[in-house]
Amino acid sequence: SYVLTQPPSVSVAPGQTARITCGGNNIGSKSVHWYQQKPGQAPVLVVYDDSDRPSGIPERFSGSNSGNTATLTISRVEAGDEADYYCQVWDSSSDQGVFGGGTKLTVL
Amino acid sequence: QVQLVQSGAEVKKPGASVKVSCKASGYTFTGYYMHWVRQAPGQGLEWMGWINPNSGGTNYAQKFQGRVTMTRDTSISTAYMELSRLRSDDTAVYYCARVAAAGTLGYWGQGTLVTVSS
Repeated sequence: SYVLTQPPSVSVAPGQTARITCGGNNIGSKSVHWYQQKPGQAPVLVVYDDSDRPSGIPERFSGSNSGNTATLTISRVEAGDEADYYCQVWDSSSDQGVFGGGTKLTVL
Repeated sequence: QVQLVQSGAEVKKPGASVKVSCKASGYTFTGYYMHWVRQAPGQGLEWMGWINPNSGGTNYAQKFQGRVTMTRDTSISTAYMELSRLRSDDTAVYYCARVAAAGTLGYWGQGTLVTVSS
């Protein structure tokens, strides 16, 4: 089955840029979606199709995907961005959904 | 606006079954696939499968094959997820999530905590 690998944690100071990676075999050939989850809440979609943003998501959230790594970039990080972030793809070969293990973003 | 309202928390004994409901409103229920995702305490998200509310067709994660059943009642715009032969490691929050743009999970229910304990 397809596996997505994320770093368990990323720390960044307010105002700086956070980059959260998602590794997978030839992930560049897939569409990657990113979800933000705050404690006690359901996940929220923040980036889809590698780099598109749903309405209402700040432009500070962006994404890229190439080769074996997809990246969620959060510019000008704010305290309110502190959350867990999950990447997700659809594995067409098995028709299964796959989530990465999640990355906890800490704003110092 | 799209709303997914799930049933309340459940406590079950090992070996029992649980059935979680997800009532949809604000859109045409049969027009969008419904997925189920779970999250064990302190753990990540785990995809369980989907149901096509129009046809009733399903696709389950291999891990849950044989233990999970997803159904729907179109007359009341409600999807269901039933998990059988419960184990302690099935303790988790179970979410329903509706497909949105590009096949994403754009709308989520509030989650239902299922606790499996003897």
